[in-house]
Amino acid sequence: DAGVIQSPRHEVTEMGQEVTLRCKPISGHDYLFWYRQTMMRGLELLIYFNNNVPIDDSGMPEDRFSAKMPNASFSTLKIQPSEPRDSAVYFCASRAGTGGPGELFFGEGSRLTVL
Amino acid sequence: QQQVKQSPQSLIVQKGGISIINCAYENTAFDYFPWYQQFPGKGPALLIAIRPDVSEKKEGRFTISFNKSAKQFSLHIMDSQPGDSATYFCAASGYSGGGADGLTFGKGTHLIIQP
Repeated sequence: DAGVIQSPRHEVTEMGQEVTLRCKPISGHDYLFWYRQTMMRGLELLIYFNNNVPIDDSGMPEDRFSAKMPNASFSTLKIQPSEPRDSAVYFCASRAGTGGPGELFFGEGSRLTVL
Repeated sequence: QQQVKQSPQSLIVQKGGISIINCAYENTAFDYFPWYQQFPGKGPALLIAIRPDVSEKKEGRFTISFNKSAKQFSLHIMDSQPGDSATYFCAASGYSGGGADGLTFGKGTHLIIQP
């Protein structure tokens, strides 16, 4: 299996621009998670989906952030408008429904820099 | 509120030595405790995990020790090798901030094994 695939790997944008991050989970996995990693805050769970349905978005920092999962093989995380404090590495992770809690498979991340 | 506290923040160990990383949790509803390993430029990857019904789990040179009454668990890396140099995250799963299926991560330990 190809693993979790994220794009772009690196994104540099200016404040106020829209940013869209993409994720393709492992085929057959029922859960998809979006995490954000910063030096100060570590790994934070933003939102997760089960069978394409958002279950918990309490970690989404504010209304500028939105996530969708239109089908089982694709998810997006959108930031509009972006701000410098959004600079971070954003990870997508997936797991099978029968894998038990915690067995997440992470992508390689999308490093976002907002100038 | 930090529900999983990890220490130390950084650790330097000589090759062949034992690396020990500690974590403490607050929420007694947590029922799954994985450790993740992250190399620069990569996403975290599951290393080893334990459930609270056992006090120790060993996989090769990696051992988790779990103390339910103290709400603490630790990772021991025996015969540490330069290839073990990475950032290690403890995590917990249960009915905490990110939802029943989310993982709460510690802040991470940057481990350096000196040859």
